[in-house]
Amino acid sequence: QVQLQESGPGLVKPSETLSLTCSVSGDPISPYYWSWVRQPPGKGLDWIGYFYYGGRSKYIPSLKSRATMSVDTSKNQLSLRLNSVTAADTAVYYCARFNQRLYAYDIWGQGTMVTVSA
Amino acid sequence: DIQMTQSPSSVSASVGDRVTITCRATQDISSWLAWYQQKPGKAPKLLFYAASSLQSGVPSRFSGSGSGTEFTLTINSLQPEDFATYYCQQADTFPWTFGQGTKVEVK
Repeated sequence: QVQLQESGPGLVKPSETLSLTCSVSGDPISPYYWSWVRQPPGKGLDWIGYFYYGGRSKYIPSLKSRATMSVDTSKNQLSLRLNSVTAADTAVYYCARFNQRLYAYDIWGQGTMVTVSA
Repeated sequence: DIQMTQSPSSVSASVGDRVTITCRATQDISSWLAWYQQKPGKAPKLLFYAASSLQSGVPSRFSGSGSGTEFTLTINSLQPEDFATYYCQQADTFPWTFGQGTKVEVK
């Protein structure tokens, strides 16, 4: 059974860099697409982008190059770095596996809350 | 960007009721639409992919339909565990986008 587990700092200061990790168990990272989706408190789901283990990636334009995703196949982990954070980046961050056969996100992590505050 | 608009934003219903949620896209997305269910404090759960294909393990009282720009999610005979928020999501055109969500509440 495939499981995803996000981990992160919980609290980040404004203008600093947010770094999150998603550990994947039960299946190798390749050959899937992986995404990060965030959810501000009390609001809906916001798609951040996707990363393919071969190096292809796409990010939502509104993040203006602040976001970088990567994978470490040796550790079966994916990562998200978000630079120059502001209070608007406060959210629960989910990692999710995009199943190319279903063309949908079939596996999600439980999410990790990140608060941006001084 | 393709905007996904769900209606209603919330619906009050009772156990046994039939609930229908609509999702409209601002442009043709063929059948590249998924539906997710999210309960408070939990991750979203995939219900449907390709607009109408039921994900394994999802009860058959759920049904999905539509193509192009208009899609529906129907819950027949609402059960207590179905009270949740439902999201549609398109994966036709980058950036992939979610609807704003529809909360199914207890009447």
